[in-house]
Amino acid sequence: NAGVTQTPKFRVLKTGQSMTLLCAQDMNHEYMYWYRQDPGMGLRLIHYSVGEGTTAKGEVPDGYNVSRLKKQNFLLGLESAAPSQTSVYFCASGDGTTSGNTIYFGEGSWLTVV
Amino acid sequence: GNSVTQMEGPVTLSEEAFLTINCTYTATGYPSLFWYVQYPGEGLQLLLKATKADDKGSNKGFEATYRKETTSFHLEKGSVQVSDSAVYFCALEDGTYKYIFGTGTRLKVLA
Repeated sequence: NAGVTQTPKFRVLKTGQSMTLLCAQDMNHEYMYWYRQDPGMGLRLIHYSVGEGTTAKGEVPDGYNVSRLKKQNFLLGLESAAPSQTSVYFCASGDGTTSGNTIYFGEGSWLTVV
Repeated sequence: GNSVTQMEGPVTLSEEAFLTINCTYTATGYPSLFWYVQYPGEGLQLLLKATKADDKGSNKGFEATYRKETTSFHLEKGSVQVSDSAVYFCALEDGTYKYIFGTGTRLKVLA
């Protein structure tokens, strides 16, 4: 009963390095989201997708890119990591059929940029 | 723009105490409202939700009522347990399938 799975769970990067976070969901959901969680700031939406092949910017998109080549996967990329991107990243998905649907979260990916 | 404001924590209570965590929102139209809970080291899980005015969401002894006149969705529980210690997030969905979260309130329940 996997739900939403994120990899990797932990990663330490040096400033300027690149990496990709992978989110996979097995619920056939149309909508997928990437959030970052920082102390005192709650969850902020980075990018989201309303279906395969689509992406859109959220509240804090700068420094990140995303792709949704397959319906079940949503990738978050950092091209040139900065210390300000040290955070916990959460992926979520929802079926988007009606307003007010629940979205389901992965367990998070802890990223440290040194 | 749309936003969610919830009371700052941490909130520290003794076991069996009454809990209230305040949440107010700003939104155009008729958003859906949610409470999510995050246990240490885990992702967020839905606790309860309400999709229209005057609806009451409830789960595991927690309740919240969608009050459009006061734009509020306060979380309550009559008797908290140590196992309720977690971070609680209020959120709204603004009709465009984007979910906006508050900053979270940490609850610590002492035995």
